[in-house]
Amino acid sequence: QQQVKQSPQSLIVQKGGISIINCAYENTAFDYFPWYQQFPGKGPALLIAIRPDVSEKKEGRFTISFNKSAKQFSLHIMDSQPGDSATYFCAASKPGRRALTFGSGTRLQVQP
Amino acid sequence: DAMVIQNPRYQVTQFGKPVTLSCSQTLNHNVMYWYQQKSSQAPKLLFHYYDKDFNNEADTPDNFQSRRPNTSFCFLDIRSPGLGDAAMYLCATKQGQGGEKLFFGSGTQLSVL
Repeated sequence: QQQVKQSPQSLIVQKGGISIINCAYENTAFDYFPWYQQFPGKGPALLIAIRPDVSEKKEGRFTISFNKSAKQFSLHIMDSQPGDSATYFCAASKPGRRALTFGSGTRLQVQP
Repeated sequence: DAMVIQNPRYQVTQFGKPVTLSCSQTLNHNVMYWYQQKSSQAPKLLFHYYDKDFNNEADTPDNFQSRRPNTSFCFLDIRSPGLGDAAMYLCATKQGQGGEKLFFGSGTQLSVL
C-alpha cells in the first residue's frame, strides 16, 4: 500500500517559472509533512516542512500548501532556478519514532 | 562540519559475499535509520534504532542485519548480497525527544557483481 502518492514523476520548467509538485496521503495518523531535496549522489536534505494545523508555509521561494480535508499537500517553487534542478520527495511521518514514508519522487529540471 | 558520515562512498562486492556498511554521526542523536534507495525510486526504510532499541520493518529481508554498538556508530550487514540488493544505502539520524528533522548521510552506493 503506497501511503504517499506523488506527482508528476518528472517536471521541466523554464528559469523564472513556477514549479508545482503534488502529494496525497492516506494515513490520517500522519502529522508531519516534509519535503526533501536530493541532488545526484547525495542524501536527501530537508527543504521545508509543515504540520496540518496550518494551510500554508513559506520559506523564501519555497511554499507548502496543505489541504487537510483532501489529504493533499503541494510544493511550489517560485522563480525556479537551474540550481533547483534535483529530485524532490514529499514525505510524511507519525508521532513517535518519526520514520519517514516517502513519495516516489519528482525529478525537476529547470532550463536556463 | 560533516554530521552524518557514511563509509565507504562506493562499495563493490561479489554475489553472496558478506558486506558491511558503516555510518557515524557527530550529532549525538538518539535515533538512527537505514534506508535503501534503488535507482530513481524513493528511499525505503529497512530498520531503525531508538537508542539501543532495534525496530525492523516487516518487509525487510532477513539478509539485512544491523548493529549499533554505541550512540555514534551504526552498521548495516548484508549477509549474502544478491543482484537485487544493489542500491544506495542511506543512513539518517534524528533527535529522539521532539525532533522531526532527519539528517541524511551522502550514502553508500553498493554494487553486486
